[in-house]
Amino acid sequence: QVQLVQSGAEVKKPGASVKVSCKASGYTFTSYDINWVRQATGQGLEWMGWMNPNSGNTGYAQKFQGRVTMTRNTSISTAYMELSSLRSEDTAVYYCARSGGAADYWGQGTLVTVSS
Amino acid sequence: EIVLTQSPATLSLSPGERATLSCRASQSVSSYLAWYQQKPGQAPRLLIYDASNRATGIPARFSGSGSGTDFTLTISSLEPEDFAVYYCQQRHRAFGQGTKVEIK
Repeated sequence: QVQLVQSGAEVKKPGASVKVSCKASGYTFTSYDINWVRQATGQGLEWMGWMNPNSGNTGYAQKFQGRVTMTRNTSISTAYMELSSLRSEDTAVYYCARSGGAADYWGQGTLVTVSS
Repeated sequence: EIVLTQSPATLSLSPGERATLSCRASQSVSSYLAWYQQKPGQAPRLLIYDASNRATGIPARFSGSGSGTDFTLTISSLEPEDFAVYYCQQRHRAFGQGTKVEIK
């Protein structure tokens, strides 16, 4: 069965970076894009960007350009999302999702807390 | 950047009633629109892709329609488990702000 398993919760100080991993299983990792989406407490879903695991091509939301990097390691079927220059407003649950056009499988979410 | 606007923000209905949710795009997205359901503490669940196609395992009471800039998600008869927040999303792009379907 398709599964996306994300890394555990993180606590970071303002100005630091965080790197969240998303390990895929149950399908061919390079056949579907990976999207990253975040959600602050009580707020809506915010799309951050996508990555094609086969080519490594990426597309980022304008809001995160210059601050987000999405990468992958195909040998271990894992995608990564790194967000730099963290501020308190980046406190949120971060999700990865498999997408063949729409996000049909989601990771369990990773809580990133930014606090001094 | 295309903006998706959902309406209403909140829909108060009783079980058994019909729910009609709207998603309007600031410019055409063709049929590249998906709908998701999210319950508290859970990841979103895909309901509809490419405007009108039900995802695997989604009950027939959920249906999607529309193309271009105007889209609708219809729940024909609300079940207790359908009370949740619903989001639309353009393929590989931003989400709408969500519609909360609450029990009246």
